[in-house]
Amino acid sequence: QKEVEQDPGPLSVPEGAIVSLNCTYSNSAFQYFMWYRQYSRKGPELLMYTYSSGNKEDGRFTAQVDKSSKYISLFIRDSQPSDSATYLCAIPSGGTSYGKLTFGQGTILTVHP
Amino acid sequence: DVKVTQSSRYLVKRTGEKVFLECVQDMDHENMFWYRQDPGLGLRLIYFSYDVKMKEKGDIPEGYSVSREKKERFSLILESASTNQTSMYLCASSLLQLDSNQPQHFGDGTRLSIL
Repeated sequence: QKEVEQDPGPLSVPEGAIVSLNCTYSNSAFQYFMWYRQYSRKGPELLMYTYSSGNKEDGRFTAQVDKSSKYISLFIRDSQPSDSATYLCAIPSGGTSYGKLTFGQGTILTVHP
Repeated sequence: DVKVTQSSRYLVKRTGEKVFLECVQDMDHENMFWYRQDPGLGLRLIYFSYDVKMKEKGDIPEGYSVSREKKERFSLILESASTNQTSMYLCASSLLQLDSNQPQHFGDGTRLSIL
């Protein structure tokens, strides 16, 4: 079983829709969870960073962690065409040393006007 | 802002050539990473380094080596390029902090084609 699994999509939604992106993970010891956004022909950039369970909100974006189900989600409200990108979940996998991250496969999102 | 710079955006090489990919970061980060990104496979870690002259294998090190002679520079070497190494290569860096997990900062990638 992979440490982190993510549905690659692609996902296509109309402008204004609520988008839900999800990952599952296998190791219940994981406590930090990250979401990266990657625009076409660019490197990934950190979007949100959460610790342990619960929700974290930043503007139109909400990151949610359900540790009992080992499930993490990223919600985008009022989605815009500028949100079209690949979204990757990432989990630190080497303890706190060395900063290793394990990434999901990435979900390709297209928001059409 | 952290800047991670990869020397080439696009590179075309021939089978059997020795290929060097260069990465420089300007934030005095201890950790540096090399990934390759392929459709359907996501980001896969090739090698990483947590200090000058230190290196650790990632998940797919075969056919690659790395060099870190200076803190700001991390080089990926394809010893004898093969067509299955055609991919997008991404470099990243992060701060070493033992009591928390620091995010990685990425360059914009080098799209390498091996003919």
